[in-house]
Amino acid sequence: ELKVEQNPLFLSMQEGKNYTIYCNYSTTSDRLYWYRQDPGKSLESLFVLLSNGAVKQEGRLMASLDTKARLSTLHITAAVHDLSATYFCAVDAMYSGGGADGLTFGKGTHLIIQP
Amino acid sequence: NAGVTQTPKFQVLKTGQSMTLQCAQDMNHNSMYWYRQDPGMGLRLIYYSASEGTTDKGEVPNGYNVSRLNKREFSLRLESAAPSQTSVYFCASRGRGGNTIYFGEGSWLTVV
Repeated sequence: ELKVEQNPLFLSMQEGKNYTIYCNYSTTSDRLYWYRQDPGKSLESLFVLLSNGAVKQEGRLMASLDTKARLSTLHITAAVHDLSATYFCAVDAMYSGGGADGLTFGKGTHLIIQP
Repeated sequence: NAGVTQTPKFQVLKTGQSMTLQCAQDMNHNSMYWYRQDPGMGLRLIYYSASEGTTDKGEVPNGYNVSRLNKREFSLRLESAAPSQTSVYFCASRGRGGNTIYFGEGSWLTVV
């Protein structure tokens, strides 16, 4: 059974600081997603990581994937208040073997960035 | 371009009542999914449909049924609602081999 663990689950940080969210998963997969969710809203796709060593950057966010370690990271550089949200990683079961489909999500990281 | 459309957006049910959540996508996608989101739990897969005419159980299927009516539509039915089914429900879809999974706006369901 595919399991996805994120940490930390809660993070309060100051503007201007850097921090990293970690996502570990239990079985092989070559496809990992990062999403952002604002309160009361749907999920917004941030990154899709398709292979080992993949790195993607958008603004102050950078995501990477190490399939050998079964680890993805979401790094926040010089945080600003607008990045306050809940961030989810999700692993694609379709690329984990076993014939299943759909994403398995971590529990989410609730990020608060204070001025 | 509507993408993934869910109805209703909000619903309050009494314990034991039944209801159907509707989902439609206009992107000609093969795969469709139903997730539920509970506080502190992330999203959990209820059922999915890899193609028209097929459905499969996800992580938390108990208490739910689904129908893939045609390629566009994938409905989720609660036959006898329970308070434990109070949640936010998201429908999603993707094309064959697609990298992007598109989510609907969510349906807020409260069972009292």
